[in-house]
Amino acid sequence: AQRVTQPEKLLSVFKGAPVELKCNYSYSGSPELFWYVQYSRQRLQLLLRHISRESIKGFTADLNKGETSFHLKKPFAQEEDSAMYYCALSLNYGGATNKLIFGTGTLLAVQP
Amino acid sequence: KAGVTQTPRYLIKTRGQQVTLSCSPISGHRSVSWYQQTPGQGLQFLFEYFSETQRNKGNFPGRFSGRQFSNSRSEMNVSTLELGDSALYLCASSPGTSGGYTGELFFGEGSRLTVL
Repeated sequence: AQRVTQPEKLLSVFKGAPVELKCNYSYSGSPELFWYVQYSRQRLQLLLRHISRESIKGFTADLNKGETSFHLKKPFAQEEDSAMYYCALSLNYGGATNKLIFGTGTLLAVQP
Repeated sequence: KAGVTQTPRYLIKTRGQQVTLSCSPISGHRSVSWYQQTPGQGLQFLFEYFSETQRNKGNFPGRFSGRQFSNSRSEMNVSTLELGDSALYLCASSPGTSGGYTGELFFGEGSRLTVL
């Protein structure tokens, strides 16, 4: 069965400290993974996708198929990074459909 | 472009009643997906519609249904409401085609349903 696991409900760090939000997945096919973010009083929005291999707002995530992980990292946390972060796995049949399996989310709190 | 619009934003129902939620996707988007968000279960996929056809379905009972209109607007309906149906229902849109596929979903603000 397809599953996304985010083991930490809350991650609290100080400003300037490194951040790593953990995500592990279970999927027999070729995974397509995303990180979505929800800032306070804003909509859920895409942060980054593994296929793009890009850095957004200083965040990066590398897909490790051997460890079935897609951890989100940032070297120096900022207070504005405080938000709820969701890891998501796409079950993309035929390249067009949009069925995402979400993890339960990790609340990142960056202390001043 | 206007974002995904969901109505109503808040509603209160009693057990046994039914509810209809509406979603207007971003202009030009033909795929609309629905998710249920609860503190205990997180975000769970309900179904996806594309060109008025249900393309994917999650593991929810038949009390949960949806439809899509020719203008891509979508509605979802929950019949015989139960206390456990209290949740935030999120709608998300995307182009929906292989050519337009990026994997990105654009979410609405949600409809918060409380069942008493």
